[in-house]
Amino acid sequence: EVQLVESGGVVVQPGGSLRLSCAASGFTFDDYTMHWVRQAPGKGLEWVSLISWDGGSTYYADSVKGRFTISRDNSKNSLYLQMNSLRTEDTALYYCAKDADDSSGYYGDYWGQGTLVTVSS
Amino acid sequence: EIVMTQSPATLSVSPGERATLSCRASQSVSSNLAWYQQKPGQAPRLLIYGASTRATGIPARFSGSGSGTEFTLTISSLQSEDFAVYYCQQYNNWPPSFGQGTKLEIK
Repeated sequence: EVQLVESGGVVVQPGGSLRLSCAASGFTFDDYTMHWVRQAPGKGLEWVSLISWDGGSTYYADSVKGRFTISRDNSKNSLYLQMNSLRTEDTALYYCAKDADDSSGYYGDYWGQGTLVTVSS
Repeated sequence: EIVMTQSPATLSVSPGERATLSCRASQSVSSNLAWYQQKPGQAPRLLIYGASTRATGIPARFSGSGSGTEFTLTISSLQSEDFAVYYCQQYNNWPPSFGQGTKLEIK
């Protein structure tokens, strides 16, 4: 059974930093691209970032480019999101998702339960 | 970025009836469209990919159709557990983008 468990979400002040983690199990982690997707309170889904199976390729939404860094440790079956220069608009539930590995494009076939990041003074 | 627009924002349907949800893309996404279901306090669940292929374990009452810019998710006979928010997502162009969601509520 695929399991994705996010952690690291807390209340942080604007301008602060935070590192989210996602522990994966139930599949061969280093075979798959992985995603971070966020959802602001009461709002829809926003794709944030993705990383290729080997960490060699990373992509970001314009809204976080230059502030967030995605990484992975395949030896630990773990995905990370380093978040710097946080803004109030980054307040959201952050989901880790496993990519479906579809040659047509990127979407998530399994998602974690999310970790809440609140940016507030 | 491709803008995905879902309609209606809220749909009220009685259990046992059919529900039809729409998703429109601002430019063609071919058949590279996914649908997700999200219940309160839960993560999104993949229902449909490739516009019409059901994901693993998804009941046959869920069906997807369309291509290009117009897509439809149909739930043939609504069960109590189907009342949720539904999102479409295109994955044909970079970056992947989601619709704003349709809330399916009990009438």
